[in-house]
Amino acid sequence: EVQLLESGGGLVQPGGSLRLSCAGSGFTFSNYALNWVRQAPGKGLEWVSSIFGSDGSTYYADSVKGRFTISRDNSRNTVYLQMNTLRAEDTAVYYCAKAWGSVSYYIDYWGQGTLVTVSS
Amino acid sequence: DIQMTQSPSSLSASVGDRVTITCRASQGINAWFAWYQQKPDKAPKSLIYATSNLESGVPSRFSGSGSGTDFTLTISSLQPEDFATYYCQQYGSYPPTFGGGTKVEIK
Repeated sequence: EVQLLESGGGLVQPGGSLRLSCAGSGFTFSNYALNWVRQAPGKGLEWVSSIFGSDGSTYYADSVKGRFTISRDNSRNTVYLQMNTLRAEDTAVYYCAKAWGSVSYYIDYWGQGTLVTVSS
Repeated sequence: DIQMTQSPSSLSASVGDRVTITCRASQGINAWFAWYQQKPDKAPKSLIYATSNLESGVPSRFSGSGSGTDFTLTISSLQPEDFATYYCQQYGSYPPTFGGGTKVEIK
């Protein structure tokens, strides 16, 4: 059974940093792209970032480019999202999501989400 | 970026009704199109990929169709457990983009 377990969310002040982690199990982690998708309170889904399984290429939404960094440790079956210079508009539930393949933005499994609140 | 416009933004229907949700892309896209279901305070669940293919375990009352700029999710006979918000996504063009969602309420 595929499982994705996020951690690292919490309350942070504007301008602060936070690192999210997502541990995957039930699949060959290194073979798949991983995504972060967020959902602001009462709003829709927004793609944030992807890291491919084939070569580790990384991609970012314009809204987070230069502030967020996605990485993966295949030996630990874990993907990370380092979030710097956080803004109030980054407040959201962040979902870790497994892609269908190594080079894909289609999501077939979602984690339960972790809440990030940016507020003073 | 390709903008995805869903309609309606919400609807109310009775158990047994046929429900159709539409998603229009701002430019023509290929068949790399998906639908997701999200229940209140839960993570999204993947329903349909590549326009019309059901994920494993998804009931056959769900179906997807479309091409070019217009895509449709149909629930042939609405069930109480289908109360949820539905999102479309195009994933064939970078960056991947989601529609704004359609909230389905049961009458």
